[in-house]
Amino acid sequence: TQLLEQSPQFLSIQEGENLTVYCNSSSVFSSLQWYRQEPGEGPVLLVTVVTGGEVKKLKRLTFQFGDARKDSSLHITAAQPGDTGLYLCAGMGGTSYGKLTFGQGTILTVHP
Amino acid sequence: ETGVTQTPRHLVMGMTNKKSLKCEQHLGHNAMYWYKQSAKKPLELMFVYNFKEQTENNSVPSRFSPECPNSSHLFLHLHTLQPEDSALYLCASSQVAGTLAGNTIYFGEGSWLTVV
Repeated sequence: TQLLEQSPQFLSIQEGENLTVYCNSSSVFSSLQWYRQEPGEGPVLLVTVVTGGEVKKLKRLTFQFGDARKDSSLHITAAQPGDTGLYLCAGMGGTSYGKLTFGQGTILTVHP
Repeated sequence: ETGVTQTPRHLVMGMTNKKSLKCEQHLGHNAMYWYKQSAKKPLELMFVYNFKEQTENNSVPSRFSPECPNSSHLFLHLHTLQPEDSALYLCASSQVAGTLAGNTIYFGEGSWLTVV
């Protein structure tokens, strides 16, 4: 069984601070996706990373895929209250053909 | 708006009722999925359909019965559910069901199900 360990599970910070969320596995994934989910809504795709070592930026969010394609990180610079939500990483491929394996999620709260 | 629409958004049903969840995708995708999201658990894959054919049943109890009449529509028929089945049920779609790099999965907004 493939597992994605996401950390931290909870993060409560002040507006303007920086933060990093980690997603780690012992399995290799063909791609990894990051989602953001607000209460009562479905996950919304933020980014897909495909190549080992790839770095993608989305405004204040920076996503990195590990060289071995087993881990990923999400870094948010100067967090804002609008960044509050559940962040999910999900790996595609590996031994779970066609399946998306999800991490437990990180609940981020940014206080004004 | 992700291109995946789910109805109803909220459903309350008794344990003896029969109801259905509906999902429609407008993305031209060929694969559709049902996921279950419960409190304090990672998202759980339930079913996968690829070109209308079921390719994955993740040991889901038979009280959940999926139906995929075409590549754009997916249903989840519910009967004799238990209170522990209360959860957010998410439909999703992707170009195909397979391990293709960049084969991104897009989610609907979910259907909140409460079984009383």
